[in-house]
Amino acid sequence: AQKVTQAQTEISVVEKEDVTLDCVYETRDTTYYLFWYKQPPSGELVFLIRRNSFDEQNEISGRYSWNFQKSTSSFNFTITASQVVDSAVYFCALSGASGSGAGSYQLTFGKGTKLSVIP
Amino acid sequence: KAGVTQTPRYLIKTRGQQVTLSCSPISGHRSVSWYQQTPGQGLQFLFEYFSETQRNKGNFPGRFSGRQFSNSRSEMNVSTLELGDSALYLCASSYDPHSLLGDTIYFGEGSWLTVV
Repeated sequence: AQKVTQAQTEISVVEKEDVTLDCVYETRDTTYYLFWYKQPPSGELVFLIRRNSFDEQNEISGRYSWNFQKSTSSFNFTITASQVVDSAVYFCALSGASGSGAGSYQLTFGKGTKLSVIP
Repeated sequence: KAGVTQTPRYLIKTRGQQVTLSCSPISGHRSVSWYQQTPGQGLQFLFEYFSETQRNKGNFPGRFSGRQFSNSRSEMNVSTLELGDSALYLCASSYDPHSLLGDTIYFGEGSWLTVV
């Protein structure tokens, strides 16, 4: 079974501080995909990044960066110089690709981390 | 390029009624998945449709059903509504999440269902 753990339920930071959101996953699939989504109060899940299990390169996109470490089964997300607009709930998700049966490609989500950026 | 469109955005139903939610995926996308989000259970997978066929189904009772049309638009139906069905229902669209390289999955704004 797949599992995603986001241990941080809520985080508050002051604007311009850096913040890291943790994500730890469990899977038996040999190939899998990791995602981060942002959910503002409107409800829509906004796609941020997708990472394939065979690509361990870290990625930076503007103020966002992601650290993928297969050895520790972690896919952490860092926001540099946070802004009020970053306030939202962030979800880490996992999908498998082993073809091991029904549900292999569904997204398994963590419980989410609510980030509040205080001006 | 239009995103994933879900209708209606908000609705209130009475226990025992049924509801139909609609989802129009991104143009060219063939896979549509549905998720339920509640404060207690978080985001849970309902089912996935691809080329009008249900490929995967989550652990939900038979009251939850769906279908996909030839234009990839999808509907989900919940019959005999219960108070616990109150949730945000999210539709996700992708070209084919089963492809070997994976695929980006995009979500709509969701349909907020309240059962009273």
